[in-house]
Amino acid sequence: DIQLTQSPSFLSASVGDRVTITCRVSQDISSHLAWFQQKPGKAPKLLMYGVSTLQSGVPSRFSGSGSGTEFTLTISSLQPEDFAVYYCQQLHSYPRTFGQGTKVEVK
Amino acid sequence: QVQLQESGPGLVKPSETLSLTCTVSGGSIRDTYWSWIRQPPGRGLEWIGYIYYSISSNYNPSLESRVTISVDTSKNQVSLKLRSVTAADTGVYYCARENVSGSGYQYYYYMDVWGKGTTVTVSS
Repeated sequence: DIQLTQSPSFLSASVGDRVTITCRVSQDISSHLAWFQQKPGKAPKLLMYGVSTLQSGVPSRFSGSGSGTEFTLTISSLQPEDFAVYYCQQLHSYPRTFGQGTKVEVK
Repeated sequence: QVQLQESGPGLVKPSETLSLTCTVSGGSIRDTYWSWIRQPPGRGLEWIGYIYYSISSNYNPSLESRVTISVDTSKNQVSLKLRSVTAADTGVYYCARENVSGSGYQYYYYMDVWGKGTTVTVSS
């Protein structure tokens, strides 16, 4: 199975901060990476796929980059509604696998 | 737009079979791939498997010996059966649509529509 390791696992930040989350993958997945946001008691919400294609309705302060084995999710200016857990997911091969998650908390 | 709703028993006894249904509205289950994902309490996401119409399916090797995913086209439903459950199978179970877009040599898959999830507890 392809392993995904996110860093950091926990992140304390303030509204307006620029936040970056890294996802390292155990083998080359080209650009087959997606990012999700999950809030307590809710289903994950797709933010972007293909590394950097923003899902419809997702604010432009979210962006993604990378290829191969290292990827990043950036929130350019953290908003109150962005405090949540973020997951990366590879869709290069089966089984689909997720990173362990990064919790973005209020500083 | 497409909406998904999971349903099934919230409590299952150890060694029994967990059976869940995902009802698809606003679209046809013939159109794309349908996955089940689960999340143990306080933990991350685990992909269980997918089905594409009745043509193909694929399961997580960690669960493959106990899992069956099927479709009922007459009801527009996707079903999950997980046999011989233990407490480790407790969690929230989600169904999700796996969509695909692209052209030429480059296609991207993504899980863009999720149900709200249903909580299953395995306990006697």
